[in-house]
Amino acid sequence: GAVVSQHPSRVICKSGTSVKIECRSLDFQATTMFWYRQFPKQSLMLMATSNEGSKATYEQGVEKDKFLINHASLTLSTLTVTSAHPEDSSFYICSAPRQGASGNTIYFGEGSWLTVV
Amino acid sequence: EDQVTQSPEALRLQEGESSSLNCSYTVSGLRGLFWYRQDPGKGPEFLFTLYSAGEEKEKERLKATLTKKESFLHITAPKPEDSATYLCAVRSGTYKYIFGTGTRLKVLA
Repeated sequence: GAVVSQHPSRVICKSGTSVKIECRSLDFQATTMFWYRQFPKQSLMLMATSNEGSKATYEQGVEKDKFLINHASLTLSTLTVTSAHPEDSSFYICSAPRQGASGNTIYFGEGSWLTVV
Repeated sequence: EDQVTQSPEALRLQEGESSSLNCSYTVSGLRGLFWYRQDPGKGPEFLFTLYSAGEEKEKERLKATLTKKESFLHITAPKPEDSATYLCAVRSGTYKYIFGTGTRLKVLA
């Protein structure tokens, strides 16, 4: 079954509005979560690392004020796209590392399709 | 600089035609190499983790192997439902994961 859950799977919003995407670790605690953006037929682009109890770490070129990340608890991180524009339309994916017997493994959410009209 | 390169970029196989996907890496202190499968419009699905050279793991028609410089994902007698993008990632240091650009596999009936 799913290890990391993302919601909503699809969202359409009007240009200029904000939209929030949630990422939950289902049966484990995640002090760190990762947010990615993916364009069609391209690989994952890491946007930021979400840290529980502290500020997120953004990758170079990612606007902090536009992509707000809040790691509210050990099982929940949210990505808010503020003042969305059509060019923000994309597939957003979160992931979280889960400790196993041999080490950490990254598990991904199902992804969220954002369409800004 | 830590880097992951996957090849080929795209691969078309006939059903039953076995092949291998490559993931070459340069990383300081490998702490795991991961394979994922991604279907269009979905998040990547975890397949395997390999930690040391010589390690192998299998799952149905898939077998992953690891050397000090690369990993192979062998697909034996593939079926159309194996069509997907296969992603490779390495972990270096604490929570630093580097992804390859993936191999798009298409298996024809």
